[in-house]
Amino acid sequence: GQSLEQPSEVTAVEGAIVQINCTYQTSGFYGLSWYQQHDGGAPTFLSYNGLDGLEETGRFSSFLSRSDSYGYLLLQELQMKDSASYFCAVSGYSTLTFGKGTMLLVSP
Amino acid sequence: DAGVIQSPRHEVTEMGQEVTLRCKPISGHDYLFWYRQTMMRGLELLIYFNNNVPIDDSGMPEDRFSAKMPNASFSTLKIQPSEPRDSAVYFCASSFGTSGLRETNTQYFGPGTRLTVL
Repeated sequence: GQSLEQPSEVTAVEGAIVQINCTYQTSGFYGLSWYQQHDGGAPTFLSYNGLDGLEETGRFSSFLSRSDSYGYLLLQELQMKDSASYFCAVSGYSTLTFGKGTMLLVSP
Repeated sequence: DAGVIQSPRHEVTEMGQEVTLRCKPISGHDYLFWYRQTMMRGLELLIYFNNNVPIDDSGMPEDRFSAKMPNASFSTLKIQPSEPRDSAVYFCASSFGTSGLRETNTQYFGPGTRLTVL
């Protein structure tokens, strides 16, 4: 089976940097993905780590350490529009298993 | 491409009624997934298809739930009879396939159907 742990909520102010951690236990692993979901919206893909290390996409970066079964999403220069839920997801052979999500609240 | 299309966007029904949710995946995607999202249980995979064939339905909660994919551009999720505990947002997603590559692992979600069973 697979299980993922991530904080339920994180708060930060505009312009700050925030890191959302994700630890996982899995019997089959291809990579770690991150999805963003605004309230009332659909999950949308942010980032994927198939290999250890850092992946950078604009203001967002994601990191994976397979040996530690650990990853994180780093959001820089926070904006109000970044207020959303962020899900880490383990990629198995065919499917994604999602964590419960971290609600990020960005305040002025 | 218009993305994954789902209908209806909202559905309110009474307990015991049949509910049918519809999904059109992105053209060319080989995989289609049905998820259910609730506050308590998060985002759960119900069933997924590869090339129109159901691969794993172990997430389907019970026999009241059924899903079909008669062709590459259409899938349905049916609940019969519906119960209040089925109230949730149901998402359909599609992807190119599976592997360790970002391009094939990425799932594209539809806007969801918000189901309320009274």
